[in-house]
Amino acid sequence: GIQVEQSPPDLILQEGANSTLRCNFSDSVNNLQWFHQNPWGQLINLFYIPSGTKQNGRLSATTVATERYSLLYISSSQTTDSGVYFCAVDIDRGSTLGRLYFGRGTQLTVWP
Amino acid sequence: KAGVTQTPRYLIKTRGQQVTLSCSPISGHRSVSWYQQTPGQGLQFLFEYFSETQRNKGNFPGRFSGRQFSNSRSEMNVSTLELGDSALYLCASSLAITGTSGPRRETQYFGPGTRLLVL
Repeated sequence: GIQVEQSPPDLILQEGANSTLRCNFSDSVNNLQWFHQNPWGQLINLFYIPSGTKQNGRLSATTVATERYSLLYISSSQTTDSGVYFCAVDIDRGSTLGRLYFGRGTQLTVWP
Repeated sequence: KAGVTQTPRYLIKTRGQQVTLSCSPISGHRSVSWYQQTPGQGLQFLFEYFSETQRNKGNFPGRFSGRQFSNSRSEMNVSTLELGDSALYLCASSLAITGTSGPRRETQYFGPGTRLLVL
């Protein structure tokens, strides 16, 4: 199946710093989503971004589908940004229809 | 609109027992998927249902099964529990759009999960 690799695996920042998380995938995809997993385990949707650039407040994301990668930017980090960030892709072909393939995540820790 | 709900939120079982988890999707969503999350294996796909039919299944043993009802609510069942089944079980719903080659999913929205501990 498709491989999804996220980097870095861990990131420690001071409040106010900026960061970039990367997601590489091994095949063409139908869609790509970024999630933030909160301390209670729920996956919170950040972006649905199969291609292009989107922004939502301090967060923005860019997906370059032709080069098979996506970037999540977090500006002016806050302690509430801490948690695990996941990238997931859907290749929407045949028997794989509807299945999300997840990366291993980036564990972000923001210190005050 | 209410989000995806899952019950129960926490569960403790012993080896050999069986368990049923429930998921209610967002109103209007007809596609429901289930995922297992463990520290060692990460997030793994279990199965996906659309219009009461299982459309896709991950690489899990037959002890893991599921179903979807006419109101799109879904249940998953794990029989003969093993210690390794301890995990966070996440359900996701999405609005499936019917296309010429079948239903296409859009954004998937996740519920809060059910934490299962097998002793």
